[in-house]
Amino acid sequence: EADIYQTPRYLVIGTGKKITLECSQTMGHDKMYWYQQDPGMELHLIHYSYGVNSTEKGDLSSESTVSRIRTEHFPLTLESARPSHTSQYLCASTDGDVGNTIYFGEGSWLTVV
Amino acid sequence: KNQVEQSPQSLIILEGKNCTLQCNYTVSPFSNLRWYKQDTGRGPVSLTIMTFSENTKSNGRYTATLDADTKQSSLHITASQLSDSASYICVVRFGNQFYFGTGTSLTVIP
Repeated sequence: EADIYQTPRYLVIGTGKKITLECSQTMGHDKMYWYQQDPGMELHLIHYSYGVNSTEKGDLSSESTVSRIRTEHFPLTLESARPSHTSQYLCASTDGDVGNTIYFGEGSWLTVV
Repeated sequence: KNQVEQSPQSLIILEGKNCTLQCNYTVSPFSNLRWYKQDTGRGPVSLTIMTFSENTKSNGRYTATLDADTKQSSLHITASQLSDSASYICVVRFGNQFYFGTGTSLTVIP
């Protein structure tokens, strides 16, 4: 069982609010990722990190930001939420071995009204 | 163009029947290919993983095959159960990059 956790699981917020989605893993993985997934659609990489103090933007343009101050923690922040940010956000992690699995959190469903 | 294409997009089968899901990819070379199961509203969970030199890998009622020459993989589900209803995602890894397929939505009906 994967030890990667996301909070909150479900959130409804108003337009213009600031929100931080939390992601923590206890597996000591260096590599962590944030994906955005609309219902029934494919996953899109929005941010990734290969270690502490390392963050990069992914393939899909996103107005969110991330930080990686500790290995186990990779929060994603939206400074001013908009309805277009309504989606599911999935956090994932893996270690450096290419043979290892990428583990996903349960996801955070964000609705901006 | 997506480098990992899956078919069919959706599938409905009767409980107890077998089915096969397809994955075609253009990522080459690659480190490994995985099949994930994603229940509605949940995160994906790994089912199988194969390197480019492996042809088949089983996990219970799930059997994945890989043909590196034609760049195709399939996931065969035997004796389907209602709990198999989910999206199945093919993921190709090249180094630190992960390429996700669009997924196949499987519905098993009684």
